[in-house]
Amino acid sequence: DAKTTQPTSMDCAEGRAANLPCNHSTISGNEYVYWYRQIHSQGPQYIIHGLKNNETNEMASLIITEDRKSSTLILPHATLRDTAVYYCIVRLPYGGSQGNLIFGKGTKLSVKP
Amino acid sequence: NAGVTQTPKFQVLKTGQSMTLQCAQDMNHEYMSWYRQDPGMGLRLIHYSVGAGITDQGEVPNGYNVSRSTTEDFPLRLLSAAPSQTSVYFCASRKRNEQFFGPGTRLTVL
Repeated sequence: DAKTTQPTSMDCAEGRAANLPCNHSTISGNEYVYWYRQIHSQGPQYIIHGLKNNETNEMASLIITEDRKSSTLILPHATLRDTAVYYCIVRLPYGGSQGNLIFGKGTKLSVKP
Repeated sequence: NAGVTQTPKFQVLKTGQSMTLQCAQDMNHEYMSWYRQDPGMGLRLIHYSVGAGITDQGEVPNGYNVSRSTTEDFPLRLLSAAPSQTSVYFCASRKRNEQFFGPGTRLTVL
């Protein structure tokens, strides 16, 4: 699986957009980008995933650069409840051991009033 | 659906004791896995299963055993607990591209 690089921490003002970057310069052509978050002491929660097109769901948007070497997770209107550690993970799509998630240390996002 | 459930929530063991962490899911997912998370670290994969009767090792399998006799249950056994196994343990199941995690078991080994 491709490795990812994320900033250790970020701050965001409540109500503003939170933009979390992720570098994955060694991503292969059929690997997807996944985002999970972990709110204090809870189990991680799936947010969104994508291959090469931008994706949006009720939680967030995922912007993947054209060369696929980096991506940005966007929380459009951050709230205090979005304070969490956000993990960017690159892997092959589901199927056997290829479905294993390899977690790095993630980005700790602090949303401030 | 209850999703992924784990018991117990907290456990304290003495070195050398054995115990089983329970994990169950009611979503009929074939894939299940166990992770451990140490302070300030991301999750590390211990064991996983792609279906009943099939298990395999992850990144940090030493000191742990698993079995998968049913689709619903995936217990994690600590054979002889050591202080290095003090951690938070998360169980997960997967449907297609989304993994669902349980609430975790906080284990302390004295």
